[in-house]
This record gives sequence, C-alpha cells and structure tokens, in this order.
Amino acid sequence: DAGVIQSPRHEVTEMGQEVTLRCKPISGHNSLFWYRQTMMRGLELLIYFNNNVPIDDSGMPEDRFSAKMPNASFSTLKIQPSEPRDSAVYFCASSLARTGSHYTFGSGTRLTVV
Amino acid sequence: AQTVTQSQPEMSVQEAETVTLSCTYDTSESNYYLFWYKQPPSRQMILVIRQEAYKQQNATENRFSVNFQKAAKSFSLKISDSQLGDTAMYFCAFMKEGGSEKLVFGKGTKLTVNP
Repeated sequence: DAGVIQSPRHEVTEMGQEVTLRCKPISGHNSLFWYRQTMMRGLELLIYFNNNVPIDDSGMPEDRFSAKMPNASFSTLKIQPSEPRDSAVYFCASSLARTGSHYTFGSGTRLTVV
Repeated sequence: AQTVTQSQPEMSVQEAETVTLSCTYDTSESNYYLFWYKQPPSRQMILVIRQEAYKQQNATENRFSVNFQKAAKSFSLKISDSQLGDTAMYFCAFMKEGGSEKLVFGKGTKLTVNP
C-alpha cells in the first residue's frame, strides 16, 4: 500500500485566494482526520470523518474552512478566502474505525499564504 | 477535556546512549490509549509505540520502551542505543476508549542525537 497520499506537498498562495488540499486514505481505512500543525499551537484536529460522514468538525477554525469526503478514497480541505494566519502544515491521517487504532499520516501539505 | 503535556521542549543525547522523554496527561477516563509518534525532518509522522491503559505491562518495540505509570498519569519514552536516525520531534498522544477516535497531542520534544 502506498500509504496516505496528500497533495500538493507545498502550496504558496496569495491572501484571498482559494486553496484546496487533497487526501487519499489507505484503502480499507474508514476513518479520516485532518490536522493542522503550527509552532504556536502544535497539532490540532480540524475535522474527522467516519465512513465518509463528518463526525466532529469542532476544530474547524471558521467558516472559511470546509472539508468534504465524497467517497471512501478521497477527501478535500478547502480554505476560501485564505489568510496569512492559515499558513501551517496540514496533515491528513486515516485509521481503521476501531477504538485504539493508530493513525497513518500522510506527508502533509505546507501551506504558505502571502 | 484531555490534555497532554511534554515538559521538555528540547533534548540531546550522544549516539549509543539512552535518553528518556517525559509525557504527562490529564484525564478522568479509566480506559484509554497512549501513543508516541516520531516526526523526523522529512515531516512524516511515524508511530513509534502504543500502550493500552488497561495493560499493566509496559510496551516495547526494539530499542523503544515506555514507562507507563497510570496512577501518576505519566507515559515516558525510553530510547536505548540512540542512533543518528532517531533525531526528530517526538509527540506523545492520548485517545480515550469508546466513541471518539480523536488523538490529542502534546506539543512535542525535539530530540537531537549527536555523533
């Protein structure tokens, strides 16, 4: 298995532009998580899905952020409009939907908003 | 809400020596899971070791072992025979049993292994 695949690896965009981050989870995993990593706040859970359904989006910072999972093999995280404070590394992770299951992380997308 | 605290922002160790990274957590749950993840400069988050709170035996994975003290809510990671490739950020994480599968992470410890 190729693991969790995220794209792009790096993204530089101008303030106000729309940004879309993509994730392909491991086949057979039915939970998917989006995390944001910054120096100040560490790793924060933004949203997670179980069987393609959003279960908890309480970590989504504001309405500018949205996430979708149209099928079991694809998820997107969209920021519109983007702001410089959104600059961070965004990780996608997947797991088997069993309590105690560890996550497998993607390589992350480093987003820079200028 | 659960919180995870890693009190050592940075540590260093000489190659081949042993180092222990500290982690404490706060929870009212009786059953839960604890994890250590490694993040090398490549940015990839890699599972190092996992502990189930209801198991008294400390988990081990080759050169990595934990000291799990449930009453003290402490979960330290010991790395034996440190290697240059162990240089990374190490994150302690908590997951409660049942319901949510959310992982709550500490802020991390940056470990440098010196030759």
